[in-house]
Order: sequence, then structure tokens, then C-alpha cells
Amino acid sequence: DSGVTQTPKHLITATGQRVTLRCSPRSGDLSVYWYQQSLDQGLQFLIQYYNGEERAKGNILERFSAQQFPDLHSELNLSSLELGDSALYFCASSLGNSGNTIYFGEGSWLTVV
Amino acid sequence: AQKVTQAQTEISVVEKEDVTLDCVYETRDTTYYLFWYKQPPSGELVFLIRRNSFDEQNEISGRYSWNFQKSTSSFNFTITASQVVDSAVYFCALWTSGSARQLTFGSGTQLTVLP
Repeated sequence: DSGVTQTPKHLITATGQRVTLRCSPRSGDLSVYWYQQSLDQGLQFLIQYYNGEERAKGNILERFSAQQFPDLHSELNLSSLELGDSALYFCASSLGNSGNTIYFGEGSWLTVV
Repeated sequence: AQKVTQAQTEISVVEKEDVTLDCVYETRDTTYYLFWYKQPPSGELVFLIRRNSFDEQNEISGRYSWNFQKSTSSFNFTITASQVVDSAVYFCALWTSGSARQLTFGSGTQLTVLP
């Protein structure tokens, strides 16, 4: 158990819909990361927050957005969903922002039908 | 730009054999960290090791060992006396202190250990 909690674990939704994935980082960790894992793209970094502020942005689509709240939990919002958004979405956390060990949650399986 | 290459897409071994998973990385930064993660069939990503660029000491943890060689930009992972439970996808990853400041993953190696 990494200590990173993600909900929901599985989600099936229709194209065009919007979903929210939730993440609670390990106790004491200030950084939260979101990654997408798909068969064709592998593990892709989406975005990072550190203590509530956006710190790094990767290949995140404009239809996707994220935020980190004062209690440090984070949410990833995916809107106007397409079939190609079906993937495993990971949240991860680390203590700091400089090469600290990054621990991953169990992931949220999103299926868009 | 930073890049991680895991040239072995799939490896299959028989239980009790030793197996080495290769990882080659590219970065221009002098400060960086290398990681290995394991992804079993259940899907979660399990942290195995983190190594910084200034520490070239090899590490052993039980049946696992890692060989870090800056001269060849490699960070290889060896499992000794493999077991069926080692069957998983293994990912090598790189974090650098430069402009990227994100964890870049290799494409992973699917290891299958046969009984």
C-alpha cells in the first residue's frame, strides 16, 4: 500500500460526458502528480501540483483540468470525453518537488463507451 | 530533452533463472534521479528503487540488484532466482533537475516467469 488513495477505481461513461477523478496523497506529501497510461501512449505525465500551485505541465489536453485543494487532495477533471480517453489514470505524490521518491496510487480505470 | 529506453519489450524465463532488465537513459542535466517501478497484473505501480546521479554504488535488496553506470547511461535491474510472483511489467524512469522536472518513463519490459 503506497498510501496514495484514488477514487473511483473503475468508471464507465459515455462519450461527451465529464468525470472527476479524486486523489489523496500520502500523509505529509505536498506534491501531487497525474499520469495517464494507455496501450498506445504508455505512461504519460499530465500535470503536477505542489502545495496547491501548478508546478509542471505535460501532455495534458485542454479538455482536462486539475487542481490541488488546501487539504492537498487533488482532482482531475476530464470533459467532453472521447473513446481515446479510455485509460488508466494514476495519481502520485511525493514529499517535495526535487527528485523525491514518487509513490503511485492504484489508479482509476476509465472506460469511455 | 530526456529519454528512457527499455529495449526489451518482453522477456520470458523459467523460475529460478536470473534475469536482467536493461534501461538506458538520456539527459543533459548533471543532477537527476533514476527509478524502477513494478506493475503487476493488478495494475498498480509499485516503487522499487530511486538512485541519484551522484551515487554510482550498486544496490542489492534481497533478490533484486541494480547496476548504475554513468559511463554508459545505464541503470540495469537484475532479479536473481526469479519467481512466478515476479511476473509483471517493469518500468525504468528518469527525473531531472532541468526544465522538465517530471518523471519520464520508459516503455516498460513485460517479464513472464514460468513455473
